[in-house]
Amino acid sequence: EAGVTQFPSHSVIEKGQTVTLRCDPISGHDNLYWYRRVMGKEIKFLLHFVKESKQDESGMPNNRFLAERTGGTYSTLKVQPAELEDSGVYFCASSQVFNYGYTFGSGTRLTVV
Amino acid sequence: QQQVKQSPQSLIVQKGGISIINCAYENTAFDYFPWYQQFPGKGPALLIAIRPDVSEKKEGRFTISFNKSAKQFSLHIMDSQPGDSATYFCAASRNYQLIWGAGTKLIIKP
Repeated sequence: EAGVTQFPSHSVIEKGQTVTLRCDPISGHDNLYWYRRVMGKEIKFLLHFVKESKQDESGMPNNRFLAERTGGTYSTLKVQPAELEDSGVYFCASSQVFNYGYTFGSGTRLTVV
Repeated sequence: QQQVKQSPQSLIVQKGGISIINCAYENTAFDYFPWYQQFPGKGPALLIAIRPDVSEKKEGRFTISFNKSAKQFSLHIMDSQPGDSATYFCAASRNYQLIWGAGTKLIIKP
């Protein structure tokens, strides 16, 4: 079984540019989560999809962040325009049912310069 | 506001020794307390988890000790091995949203 796939693995962009991160969950996993770790700090929840619906987006920091999951398969997280404080590692996770059995991807390291 | 406090930030243990990482939480509504292990370039992987109605859970060399009254829980790694060198995160959850500790970088010296 393929794991959770995220790409790109690294992205370096200039402040003000747009970046789109992609997450392919494990096939058949209806639940998809986005988390991020800003350098040196704790990992923080961003949002949770059930299929294509946003179940909980209470962790999204501001309206520069837009997450989508069209068709209930892969998800994208767009940051527009990117700011310096958006730098960090963005993790995606998925689970088959609504429980704690997350599987995490390897993350996308975003650097905004 | 940080709801899960993890210590130490880094830890060096000799091979064969016991590694101990501690976490404290604030919200008594949390109902699930997992520990994750993360190797460089990889995502966090669930190591072991406990519910608040249990005081201890052991899986192989890994043990969680849970003190509900003190709102603290800890990870013990017995007979620590160089392959255990990684970053360890505690977390707490209610309604499936994980609240994470800041992480502990563990180095096992051969």
